[in-house]
Amino acid sequence: GDSVTQMEGPVTLSEEAFLTINCTYTATGYPSLFWYVQYPGEGLQLLLKATKADDKGSNKGFEATYRKETTSFHLEKGSVQVSDSAVYFCALRSYNQGGKLIFGQGTELSVKP
Amino acid sequence: DAGVTQSPTHLIKTRGQQVTLRCSPKSGHDTVSWYQQALGQGPQFIFQYYEEEERQRGNFPDRFSGHQFPNYSSELNVNALWLGDSALYLCASSPGQDEQYFGPGTRLTVT
Repeated sequence: GDSVTQMEGPVTLSEEAFLTINCTYTATGYPSLFWYVQYPGEGLQLLLKATKADDKGSNKGFEATYRKETTSFHLEKGSVQVSDSAVYFCALRSYNQGGKLIFGQGTELSVKP
Repeated sequence: DAGVTQSPTHLIKTRGQQVTLRCSPKSGHDTVSWYQQALGQGPQFIFQYYEEEERQRGNFPDRFSGHQFPNYSSELNVNALWLGDSALYLCASSPGQDEQYFGPGTRLTVT
């Protein structure tokens, strides 16, 4: 079945460092891809999305490009801030499975001043 | 415009009991999905409701049931609670199959 695999955390970075969180997926057809962020004690917030190959989603300095050839959707940010500390989830929605979202296990990011 | 709201925020139940969680979707959204998030894990899809019917279901036993009301709000019911049902339960609403907006969740602890 469809699945999402994320790099394991926790990831600890210094402020202003470059961030990459790897995400790969397995799916039939062409799924839509998402990154969600979860701050401590809160629900999930949509960070960015891409709905077709080569699309780049971006928001708040974060970017991810839908790479069909490598079945990847890696999250990047050029300069992280302490306020970016959170858990990040990669997710997919298959084209033939309705609205169901399939999530990776999450990657915890901790940014130190 | 209020976002997705869930109640209660926290809940403690004993094994074997039953629980009902509630969700009010974002204004203009007609579809509600429920997810279970165990500690340290990603959310797992339970089911989705549209037009007061269960449209899609994940790999959860029949102990998990739901309902959607004419105003699009929804309830999640879990019978015969197990310790393993302890988790954060997330509700998400969307306009049809489009982008899902999540509520803050209900933290359920089963003792």
